[in-house]
Amino acid sequence: DAGVIQSPRHEVTEMGQEVTLRCKPISGHDYLFWYRQTMMRGLELLIYFNNNVPIDDSGMPEDRFSAKMPNASFSTLKIQPSEPRDSAVYFCASTQGGSNYGYTFGSGTRLTVV
Amino acid sequence: AQKITQTQPGMFVQEKEAVTLDCTYDTSDQSYGLFWYKQPSSGEMIFLIYQGSYDEQNATEGRYSLNFQKARKSANLVISASQLGDSAMYFCAPEVNAGGTSYGKLTFGQGTILTVHP
Repeated sequence: DAGVIQSPRHEVTEMGQEVTLRCKPISGHDYLFWYRQTMMRGLELLIYFNNNVPIDDSGMPEDRFSAKMPNASFSTLKIQPSEPRDSAVYFCASTQGGSNYGYTFGSGTRLTVV
Repeated sequence: AQKITQTQPGMFVQEKEAVTLDCTYDTSDQSYGLFWYKQPSSGEMIFLIYQGSYDEQNATEGRYSLNFQKARKSANLVISASQLGDSAMYFCAPEVNAGGTSYGKLTFGQGTILTVHP
């Protein structure tokens, strides 16, 4: 398996622009998570899905952030409009039944908003 | 809300020696899991080891083992025979069960930076 695939790896955008981050979970994994990592706040859970349904979006910072999972093999995290404080590394992770298998993380998308 | 404490911002160890990275957490859940992840300077998150709260034995995975003390809400990671490649950030992450489902979400501590000296 190719693991969790995120794109793009790096994104630089201007303040006010729309940014879309993409994630392909491991086939057969029914949970998908979006995390954000910054120096100040560490790793924060933004939202997670089970069987494509959002379960907990309490970590989404504000209405500028939205996430979708239209099918079992694809999810997006959108920021509109983007702001410099959104600059961070965004990770997608997935897992299947049996937590001892671990949550597999993608390589992350490093977002810089200038 | 979950509170995870990794009291050691930075740790140093000599190559081939063992090192213990501390983690305490606060949960009211009776059933939960504990994960440790490694993040090298390249940035990826690497799963190391898992401990279930009802597992009677401490988890081991190669050179990694957990010193799990449920009553103290402590899950320290022990790395034996340290290698230069072990230099990285290490995160403790309890899994919070949500609404009775089997799987919840990971909440990460602030991490400990481990540096292995030759």
